[in-house]
Amino acid sequence: QVQLQESGPGLVKPSETLSLTCTVSGGSISSYYWNWIRQPPGKGLEWIGNIYNSGSTDYNPSLKSRVTISVDTSKNQFSLKLSSVTAADTAVYYCASSRGVWFDPWGQGTLVTVSS
Amino acid sequence: DIQMTQSPSSVSASVGDRVTITCRASQGISSWLAWYQQKPGKAPKLLIYAASGLQSGVPSRFSGSGSGTDFTLTISSLQPEDFATYYCQQANSFPRTFGQGTKVEIK
Repeated sequence: QVQLQESGPGLVKPSETLSLTCTVSGGSISSYYWNWIRQPPGKGLEWIGNIYNSGSTDYNPSLKSRVTISVDTSKNQFSLKLSSVTAADTAVYYCASSRGVWFDPWGQGTLVTVSS
Repeated sequence: DIQMTQSPSSVSASVGDRVTITCRASQGISSWLAWYQQKPGKAPKLLIYAASGLQSGVPSRFSGSGSGTDFTLTISSLQPEDFATYYCQQANSFPRTFGQGTKVEIK
């Protein structure tokens, strides 16, 4: 079955750009939607956005001005870039697949801390 | 954005208890609702989709109901492995939004 694994720096300085990659195994990225979701420590879940294999994207309006999600079908990966980060962007970042609406499966998550 | 409100925020229960969690949407979402279970340090896991569909591999003690704005997740007989935080999520429109979570704790 499809498995997802996030990778990227665990520490990012304020005002810099957070960059994460999600590698998809056990299936092709050329199907379904691919999502980023985050969870600040001890808090709830926030959907960041998604991308379809065609490259079409949907973003959360609360983050839209700072977010870019892209896909690399040759590597079976999709990526997240979040610019101008602050301490409020410290969170566990998850990638997840969806057949349009339901998030399943999820990656294990990666903690990104914004600090100087 | 559609706001999702769960109640209660936490519940203390014993093994074998019946537990019900509610989720209310700020506007009608038909049956575009999912429930997830999250254990500490782990990613959320899809339990229920389309308000009442049981995800493959999920025990039948979990059930979901509702449509429109009011939804419930029921655990018919709580098991030790069910102590976790549960989230609802609407998929009616973008941005996708989650409830704030309900923590099921051991009594």
